[in-house]
Amino acid sequence: QVVLTQSPSASASLGASVKLTCTLRTGHSNYAIAWHQFHPERGPRYLMKVNSDGSHTKGDEIPDRFSGSSSGAELYLTISSLQSEDEADYYCQTWGSGVVLFGGGTKLTVL
Amino acid sequence: QVQLHESGPGLVKPSETLALSCTVSGGSIGTYNWSWLRRSPGKGLEWIGYISYTGTSIYNPSLKSRVSISIHTSMNQFSLKLTSMTAADTAVYYCARGDTSGFYGFYYYYMDVWGKGTTVIVS
Repeated sequence: QVVLTQSPSASASLGASVKLTCTLRTGHSNYAIAWHQFHPERGPRYLMKVNSDGSHTKGDEIPDRFSGSSSGAELYLTISSLQSEDEADYYCQTWGSGVVLFGGGTKLTVL
Repeated sequence: QVQLHESGPGLVKPSETLALSCTVSGGSIGTYNWSWLRRSPGKGLEWIGYISYTGTSIYNPSLKSRVSISIHTSMNQFSLKLTSMTAADTAVYYCARGDTSGFYGFYYYYMDVWGKGTTVIVS
């Protein structure tokens, strides 16, 4: 059974960097997730795919400030040079047992 | 640039059927897979199901008995029907374009373009 776990909240200062974590429990030795942003005014946006070897592929027009990486069962979304517009909910997502699965989401506050 | 736009009633009575449409602009619906999802404070983000451009559909088992997704290629639209609505179905409903990807034998489906969402209240 595939399970994705995220911390409910994170915060960082304007201009700083933040690393959001998605912990994936799966029986596969290779795996991958997608990261999505849910902005309170702009709505949802696909950010990138992150593979278990740390490689990632970003969606169209996603700024260079957004990057992905991984370490073991943890897959990361790093946002550098934080801007106020980055304040949003972030979800990791994959596929398991024939369904699309999401983590519980992380609410990012930009201080 | 592909854009998706949801439309439908914002208020549904208990036991009624919800019907939503998603209009695809800037690209053809005749490729990719097309999903419906919803987000609520109590349940988080939940995938409802998808339909392929060929008309094959896959549903979340938790909703399968109440869900129907259909595609209307001539109108560049796809739609959702969810029967026997209850207060637990109150949520923001999203349509999204989906694609499949693979990494050394791990294949997965993911959404790469989202609509802005439409709020549905059951009351």
